[in-house]
Amino acid sequence: NAGVTQTPKFQVLKTGQSMTLQCAQDMNHNSMYWYRQDPGMGLRLIYYSASEGTTDKGEVPNGYNVSRLNKREFSLRLESAAPSQTSVYFCASRALRTDTQYFGPGTRLTVL
Amino acid sequence: QKEVEQDPGPLSVPEGAIVSLNCTYSNSAFQYFMWYRQYSRKGPELLMYTYSSGNKEDGRFTAQVDKSSKYISLFIRDSQPSDSATYLCASSHFGNEKLTFGTGTRLTIIP
Repeated sequence: NAGVTQTPKFQVLKTGQSMTLQCAQDMNHNSMYWYRQDPGMGLRLIYYSASEGTTDKGEVPNGYNVSRLNKREFSLRLESAAPSQTSVYFCASRALRTDTQYFGPGTRLTVL
Repeated sequence: QKEVEQDPGPLSVPEGAIVSLNCTYSNSAFQYFMWYRQYSRKGPELLMYTYSSGNKEDGRFTAQVDKSSKYISLFIRDSQPSDSATYLCASSHFGNEKLTFGTGTRLTIIP
């Protein structure tokens, strides 16, 4: 039981490049989330998916797109990376009965 | 005003001391309260979960919620160097898909 996994762990991009961050969970959770974490800003929600086939914007969605591929997988795409997107990105999934979220190990992204 | 406010610290205490970490919240609808621990360069991990008001104890950790004052606390007894981490409080209400997080308090336990 791996919980929530994320790939890659680290990535360096040049401005304008695109990339997709992958996330998968094996806990049979319906809801999945993408956050970014920046110093002094805490965790900010980018997008979330309450169930397979649905996605909704969070607090900071601009510059990102998401895909809920199936119940297990939720990907985050940066179409044209900008230096302001340099951050640590966390994926999470939610246990329905307790409302708690379980986080992956994160992806450290640097945009030059 | 943020819905959940948390003093960012940093907070340094000697080993063995009792640590008190606190958050305040403004949304009266919040019913679920959580504390997450995040070690450096790791993802947040769930530490404590409480529903509504009251105390919950788990080993050296006690989570306390006072809904009348909208105050959330985490107490760590007999603090250890391994408790050095950033602690984030989080809240939500029934039917809400999203958690609202505090910005986190960085804690260092000095041996």
